Amino acid sequence: EVQLLQSGGGVVKPGGSLRLSCAASGFTFSSYNMNWVRQAPGKGLEWVSSINLYGNYIYYADSVKGRFTISRDNAKNSLYLQLDSLRGEDTAVYYCARDGEVGGFNDFWGQGTLVTVSS
Amino acid sequence: EVVMTQSPATLSVSPGERATLSCRASQSVNSNLAWYQQRPGQAPRLLIYGAFSRATGIPARFSGSGSGTEFTLTISSLQSEDFAVYYCQQYNNRPPWTFGQGTKVEIK
Repeated sequence: EVQLLQSGGGVVKPGGSLRLSCAASGFTFSSYNMNWVRQAPGKGLEWVSSINLYGNYIYYADSVKGRFTISRDNAKNSLYLQLDSLRGEDTAVYYCARDGEVGGFNDFWGQGTLVTVSS
Repeated sequence: EVVMTQSPATLSVSPGERATLSCRASQSVNSNLAWYQQRPGQAPRLLIYGAFSRATGIPARFSGSGSGTEFTLTISSLQSEDFAVYYCQQYNNRPPWTFGQGTKVEIK
């Protein structure tokens, strides 16, 4: 069974940092691209970042470019998102998601982790 | 960036009736279009990819159609568990991937 178990959310002050983790199981992690998607309270879904199998192709939404860093450790079956220089508008539930085999859509999602940026 | 526009924002439907949700892209995304269902307090769930292919385990009452800039998700006979928010997402070419703003399907 495919599982994506997330951890690392919490409350942080503006300008602060946080690291989100996503532990994968039930599939060959190193064979899939991975994504982060977020959802602000009461709002829709927003794609945040994508990383390919090997970690050498990485993409970011303009809203987070230069502040967030996606990475993966295939030996540990884990995906990460480092959030720096956080702003109030980054407050959201963050989901990790597995990229479908064709690429681009998300066929399995983690449970989500809430990041609250507040002073 | 491709802008995705969903309509209507809210759809009121009685159980057992048919629901038709629309999604429009600001430019052609070919057939690179996915639909997701999100129930309150849950993560999204993939329903449709490639505009019309049902994801594993998705009931046949869910169907997708369209290509280019106009897409439709049809739920043939609404069940109680289908009342939720539905999002379309384009994944044409390369990121940024973009989502529609969502359509809430509520009980009439």
